[in-house]
Amino acid sequence: EVQLVESGGGLVKPGESRRLSCEASGFTFSDDWMSWVRQAPGKGLEWVGRIKNTPEGGTTEYAAPVKGRFTISRDDSKNTVYLQMDGLKTEDTAVYYCTRGVGTFYNWGQGTLVSVSS
Amino acid sequence: DIQMTQSPSTLSASVGDRVTITCRASQYISIWLAWYQQKAGKAPKLLIYKASSLESGVPSRFSGSGSGTEFTLTISSLQPDDIATYYCQQYNMYPWTFGQGSKVEIK
Repeated sequence: EVQLVESGGGLVKPGESRRLSCEASGFTFSDDWMSWVRQAPGKGLEWVGRIKNTPEGGTTEYAAPVKGRFTISRDDSKNTVYLQMDGLKTEDTAVYYCTRGVGTFYNWGQGTLVSVSS
Repeated sequence: DIQMTQSPSTLSASVGDRVTITCRASQYISIWLAWYQQKAGKAPKLLIYKASSLESGVPSRFSGSGSGTEFTLTISSLQPDDIATYYCQQYNMYPWTFGQGSKVEIK
């Protein structure tokens, strides 16, 4: 059974940094592309960015609102993908989901809430 | 960016009704479209990928169709368990984008 478990959410102040983690199990993690998708309270879904699998270069792609502030990385030895969030803004407040798939998000974690407030 | 527009935003139907949700893309996306179901307080769940391929384990009352710029998600016979918000998503071009969601309620 595929499992994605996010952690690292919490309350942060504007301008601060936070790193989210997503530990994967139940599939060959190193083979898969991983993405982060977020959902602001009461709002719709927004793709944040993705990282390719290591054989394809492990390159990243980001949505415009987070480009230059957020960084996705992966550690295949730990079956974990990370979302480093720097320069957080109040509009980054959301539940952040870790997902698996190439464009199609086949599996989702339970999400972790990041609240940005002074 | 490719804009995805869903209609209706909310719909109310009776158990057993046939329900259709439309998703329009602002540019051609071929068949690179997925549909997700999100129940209250839960993570989204994949229903349909490549416009019309049913994800394993998803009930056959769900179906998807379309290509190019216009797509539909159909629930052939609405069940109480289908109460949720449904999202379309294109993955033809970056940034991958979602529709605004369509909330399905029981009348």
